[in-house]
Amino acid sequence: DADVTQTPRNRITKTGKRIMLECSQTKGHDRMYWYRQDPGLGLRLIYYSFDVKDINKGEISDGYSVSRQAQAKFSLSLESAIPNQTALYFCATSDFGGRGSYNEQFFGPGTRLTVL
Amino acid sequence: EDQVTQSPEALRLQEGESSSLNCSYTVSGLRGLFWYRQDPGKGPEFLFTLYSAGEEKEKERLKATLTKKESFLHITAPKPEDSATYLCAVHPGGNTGKLIFGQGTTLQVKP
Repeated sequence: DADVTQTPRNRITKTGKRIMLECSQTKGHDRMYWYRQDPGLGLRLIYYSFDVKDINKGEISDGYSVSRQAQAKFSLSLESAIPNQTALYFCATSDFGGRGSYNEQFFGPGTRLTVL
Repeated sequence: EDQVTQSPEALRLQEGESSSLNCSYTVSGLRGLFWYRQDPGKGPEFLFTLYSAGEEKEKERLKATLTKKESFLHITAPKPEDSATYLCAVHPGGNTGKLIFGQGTTLQVKP
Protein backbone atom coordinates (compact mmCIF):
# COMPACT_ATOMS: atom_id res chain seq x y z
CA ASP A 1 0.00 0.00 0.00
CA ALA A 2 1.13 3.52 -0.77
CA ASP A 3 2.59 5.52 2.11
CA VAL A 4 0.83 8.74 1.08
CA THR A 5 -2.65 8.50 -0.43
CA GLN A 6 -4.86 11.18 -1.90
CA THR A 7 -8.56 11.18 -2.68
CA PRO A 8 -10.06 11.77 -5.09
CA ARG A 9 -7.52 11.19 -7.85
CA ASN A 10 -9.54 13.17 -10.36
CA ARG A 11 -12.27 15.73 -9.82
CA ILE A 12 -14.26 17.93 -12.13
CA THR A 13 -16.33 20.64 -10.50
CA LYS A 14 -18.08 23.87 -11.35
CA THR A 15 -17.25 27.44 -10.44
CA GLY A 16 -18.50 28.35 -6.98
CA LYS A 17 -18.66 24.82 -5.61
CA ARG A 18 -16.93 23.85 -2.38
CA ILE A 19 -14.67 20.83 -2.62
CA MET A 20 -12.32 18.97 -0.34
CA LEU A 21 -9.20 17.05 -1.19
CA GLU A 22 -8.00 14.52 1.34
CA CYS A 23 -4.59 13.18 2.20
CA SER A 24 -3.64 10.29 4.47
CA GLN A 25 -0.21 8.94 5.34
CA THR A 26 1.14 5.85 7.02
CA LYS A 27 4.74 7.04 7.28
CA GLY A 28 4.31 8.31 10.82
CA HIS A 29 5.57 11.76 9.85
CA ASP A 30 4.55 14.83 11.79
CA ARG A 31 4.88 17.29 8.92
CA MET A 32 2.41 17.51 6.03
CA TYR A 33 2.14 19.84 3.05
CA TRP A 34 -0.16 20.78 0.20
CA TYR A 35 1.23 21.89 -3.16
CA ARG A 36 -0.23 22.75 -6.51
CA GLN A 37 1.57 22.16 -9.79
CA ASP A 38 0.89 24.16 -12.91
CA PRO A 39 2.67 23.88 -16.28
CA GLY A 40 5.47 26.42 -16.42
CA LEU A 41 5.09 27.41 -12.76
CA GLY A 42 6.39 24.33 -11.05
CA LEU A 43 5.36 23.23 -7.57
CA ARG A 44 4.08 25.89 -5.21
CA LEU A 45 3.32 25.51 -1.52
CA ILE A 46 -0.26 26.21 -0.41
CA TYR A 47 -0.24 25.24 3.29
CA TYR A 48 1.89 23.23 5.63
CA SER A 49 1.47 21.73 9.09
CA PHE A 50 4.21 20.71 11.50
CA ASP A 51 1.77 18.97 13.84
CA VAL A 52 -1.94 18.82 14.52
CA LYS A 53 -1.97 22.22 16.23
CA ASP A 54 0.51 23.98 13.97
CA ILE A 55 -0.79 25.09 10.55
CA ASN A 56 0.89 27.69 8.38
CA LYS A 57 0.23 29.47 5.12
CA GLY A 58 2.47 28.86 2.16
CA GLU A 59 3.10 31.18 -0.76
CA ILE A 60 -0.33 30.81 -2.42
CA SER A 61 -2.92 30.22 0.33
CA ASP A 62 -5.61 32.65 -0.86
CA GLY A 63 -8.80 30.80 -1.77
CA TYR A 64 -7.77 27.66 0.15
CA SER A 65 -8.18 26.38 3.68
CA VAL A 66 -6.88 23.27 5.43
CA SER A 67 -7.72 21.00 8.32
CA ARG A 68 -5.35 18.66 10.17
CA GLN A 69 -7.71 16.11 11.62
CA ALA A 70 -5.01 13.83 12.98
CA GLN A 71 -1.30 13.24 12.62
CA ALA A 72 -2.02 11.13 9.56
CA LYS A 73 -4.71 13.24 7.86
CA PHE A 74 -4.50 16.64 6.21
CA SER A 75 -7.34 18.02 4.07
CA LEU A 76 -7.37 20.89 1.60
CA SER A 77 -10.60 22.77 0.86
CA LEU A 78 -11.54 25.15 -1.88
CA GLU A 79 -14.39 27.18 -0.40
CA SER A 80 -15.62 28.51 -3.73
CA ALA A 81 -13.76 27.01 -6.64
CA ILE A 82 -12.72 29.17 -9.58
CA PRO A 83 -11.29 28.12 -12.96
CA ASN A 84 -7.75 29.29 -12.20
CA GLN A 85 -7.60 26.72 -9.43
CA THR A 86 -7.51 24.04 -12.10
CA ALA A 87 -4.24 22.25 -11.40
CA LEU A 88 -2.56 19.11 -10.14
CA TYR A 89 -2.56 19.03 -6.32
CA PHE A 90 -0.05 17.10 -4.26
CA CYS A 91 0.13 16.23 -0.62
CA ALA A 92 3.55 15.55 0.90
CA THR A 93 4.96 14.49 4.26
CA SER A 94 8.30 14.74 5.97
CA ASP A 95 9.91 13.76 9.21
CA PHE A 96 11.43 16.25 11.61
CA GLY A 97 15.07 16.48 10.69
CA GLY A 98 16.34 17.65 14.00
CA ARG A 99 17.69 21.03 14.87
CA GLY A 100 19.43 22.68 11.96
CA SER A 101 18.55 20.04 9.41
CA TYR A 102 15.70 19.43 7.06
CA ASN A 103 14.46 16.15 5.74
CA GLU A 104 13.17 15.23 2.32
CA GLN A 105 9.45 15.33 1.53
CA PHE A 106 7.54 12.34 0.21
CA PHE A 107 4.70 13.00 -2.20
CA GLY A 108 1.35 11.42 -2.82
CA PRO A 109 0.08 10.47 -6.30
CA GLY A 110 -1.78 13.75 -6.82
CA THR A 111 -5.31 14.93 -7.49
CA ARG A 112 -6.12 16.37 -10.90
CA LEU A 113 -8.71 19.09 -10.33
CA THR A 114 -10.64 20.78 -13.11
CA VAL A 115 -12.88 23.75 -12.35
CA LEU A 116 -15.30 24.60 -15.15
CA GLU B 1 15.29 36.57 -3.55
CA ASP B 2 15.62 32.81 -3.19
CA GLN B 3 15.61 31.16 -6.58
CA VAL B 4 16.21 27.81 -8.26
CA THR B 5 16.87 27.49 -11.99
CA GLN B 6 17.18 24.22 -13.86
CA SER B 7 18.70 23.71 -17.27
CA PRO B 8 18.11 22.61 -19.87
CA GLU B 9 14.30 22.63 -19.88
CA ALA B 10 14.28 19.55 -22.09
CA LEU B 11 16.94 17.03 -23.04
CA ARG B 12 16.82 14.27 -25.61
CA LEU B 13 19.43 11.52 -25.42
CA GLN B 14 20.08 8.30 -27.22
CA GLU B 15 20.23 5.23 -25.05
CA GLY B 16 23.73 5.00 -23.61
CA GLU B 17 24.54 8.69 -24.20
CA SER B 18 25.64 10.14 -20.86
CA SER B 19 24.84 13.73 -19.89
CA SER B 20 24.23 16.09 -16.96
CA LEU B 21 21.34 18.19 -15.71
CA ASN B 22 22.03 21.45 -13.92
CA CYS B 23 20.35 23.08 -10.92
CA SER B 24 21.57 26.57 -10.01
CA TYR B 25 20.37 28.11 -6.79
CA THR B 26 20.45 31.41 -4.95
CA VAL B 27 19.36 31.10 -1.34
CA SER B 28 20.24 32.86 1.86
CA GLY B 29 21.31 29.72 3.72
CA LEU B 30 21.10 26.27 2.17
CA ARG B 31 19.73 23.60 4.50
CA GLY B 32 19.38 20.92 1.89
CA LEU B 33 19.13 20.32 -1.86
CA PHE B 34 16.81 17.62 -3.10
CA TRP B 35 16.44 15.81 -6.41
CA TYR B 36 13.16 14.23 -7.43
CA ARG B 37 11.99 12.24 -10.43
CA GLN B 38 8.45 12.81 -11.70
CA ASP B 39 6.67 10.63 -14.23
CA PRO B 40 3.69 12.08 -16.12
CA GLY B 41 0.56 12.27 -13.96
CA LYS B 42 2.37 11.05 -10.85
CA GLY B 43 3.82 12.55 -7.71
CA PRO B 44 7.51 13.42 -7.44
CA GLU B 45 9.63 10.50 -6.28
CA PHE B 46 12.51 11.31 -3.96
CA LEU B 47 15.99 10.53 -5.28
CA PHE B 48 18.71 12.32 -3.28
CA THR B 49 19.43 14.83 -0.54
CA LEU B 50 22.67 16.84 -0.51
CA TYR B 51 23.58 19.07 2.40
CA SER B 52 27.03 20.51 1.83
CA ALA B 53 29.36 21.49 -1.01
CA GLY B 54 31.45 18.56 -2.18
CA GLU B 55 28.87 15.99 -1.26
CA GLU B 56 27.98 13.30 -3.81
CA LYS B 57 25.25 10.65 -3.87
CA GLU B 58 24.75 7.77 -6.32
CA LYS B 59 21.88 5.52 -7.25
CA GLU B 60 22.13 3.15 -10.20
CA ARG B 61 22.86 5.32 -13.27
CA LEU B 62 22.36 8.61 -11.41
CA LYS B 63 24.91 10.63 -9.51
CA ALA B 64 24.19 13.94 -7.81
CA THR B 65 26.86 16.46 -6.86
CA LEU B 66 26.73 19.78 -5.04
CA THR B 67 28.78 22.99 -5.08
CA LYS B 68 28.10 26.29 -3.33
CA LYS B 69 26.06 27.56 -6.26
CA GLU B 70 24.77 24.57 -8.17
CA SER B 71 24.05 20.87 -8.29
CA PHE B 72 24.44 18.45 -11.14
CA LEU B 73 22.56 15.25 -11.81
CA HIS B 74 24.80 13.07 -13.95
CA ILE B 75 23.14 10.30 -15.92
CA THR B 76 25.50 7.58 -17.08
CA ALA B 77 24.50 5.33 -19.98
CA PRO B 78 20.79 6.17 -19.67
CA LYS B 79 18.02 3.77 -20.62
CA PRO B 80 14.55 4.60 -21.96
CA GLU B 81 13.08 3.95 -18.50
CA ASP B 82 15.08 6.93 -17.21
CA SER B 83 12.79 9.19 -19.23
CA ALA B 84 11.00 11.53 -16.79
CA THR B 85 11.03 15.07 -15.47
CA TYR B 86 13.76 15.68 -12.90
CA LEU B 87 13.04 18.30 -10.27
CA CYS B 88 15.50 20.09 -8.05
CA ALA B 89 14.41 21.77 -4.80
CA VAL B 90 16.19 23.64 -2.03
CA HIS B 91 15.37 24.39 1.56
CA PRO B 92 16.62 27.93 2.21
CA GLY B 93 16.85 27.67 5.96
CA GLY B 94 14.61 28.98 8.70
CA ASN B 95 11.90 27.04 10.47
CA THR B 96 9.45 26.82 7.62
CA GLY B 97 8.21 23.98 5.50
CA LYS B 98 8.94 25.75 2.29
CA LEU B 99 10.92 24.07 -0.43
CA ILE B 100 11.76 26.13 -3.48
CA PHE B 101 11.39 24.05 -6.62
CA GLY B 102 12.96 24.55 -10.00
CA GLN B 103 10.89 24.19 -13.15
CA GLY B 104 12.35 20.79 -13.92
CA THR B 105 14.23 19.18 -16.80
CA THR B 106 12.27 16.79 -18.98
CA LEU B 107 14.50 13.98 -20.12
CA GLN B 108 13.67 11.72 -23.03
CA VAL B 109 15.91 8.74 -23.73
CA LYS B 110 15.39 7.08 -27.08
CA PRO B 111 16.27 3.44 -27.72
